[in-house]
Amino acid sequence: EMQLVESGGGLVQPGGSLRLSCVGSGLTFTNYWMHWVRQVPGKGLVWVSRINSDGSDILYGDSVKGRFTISRDNAKNTVYLQMNSLRAEDSAIYFCTRAVYGRVSEFEYWGQGTLVTVSP
Amino acid sequence: DIQMTQSPSSLSASVGDRVTITCRASQSISRYLNWYQQKPGKAPKLLIYATSSLQSGVPSRFSGSGSGTEFTLTISNLQGEDFATYYCQQTYTTGEFTFGPGTEVAIK
Repeated sequence: EMQLVESGGGLVQPGGSLRLSCVGSGLTFTNYWMHWVRQVPGKGLVWVSRINSDGSDILYGDSVKGRFTISRDNAKNTVYLQMNSLRAEDSAIYFCTRAVYGRVSEFEYWGQGTLVTVSP
Repeated sequence: DIQMTQSPSSLSASVGDRVTITCRASQSISRYLNWYQQKPGKAPKLLIYATSSLQSGVPSRFSGSGSGTEFTLTISNLQGEDFATYYCQQTYTTGEFTFGPGTEVAIK
């Protein structure tokens, strides 16, 4: 079964850090764009960050720019999201997604999400 | 930044109905528009990309159209498994792939 599995979420204090991981099983990351998308439970979807196949092209949403860092290890079929200086408004479910082959921002595969809660 | 709106925000329909959801962009996005379906507690699922291209495995009762600033998702012959929330997403601007606020399709 092809799936993405996120981990690393949890409860963290404002100003703290977390590192999210997303591992692919049954599917490859190589040659695909990978993204992180977040969603406050019961609310809409917000794109967070993207990274191209070799890590040379990276972008962030305005709300996380300068605080979050996306990276990938294709040998481990893993993409990461390092989140620093966390704020209450960063609390959300974080999904990792893999784009459709040959396309950049059409999100074909999604993980189940990992919940991040930023609270004192 | 490009803002996306969807209408209606929610609707009630019956199995067999034809449903249309509209997505509008605050400026022209050509045909850089995707549609996703999300069920409670699940990750979104890509239905349509580039306005009208059906993602592999998605039933043909789903269709998309539009260009510029106005787009529609149509579900013909609504099925029980189609009750969900639908989001549009613009991919015109590099760097902010904005989603619409969602349209909930509920059972009448």
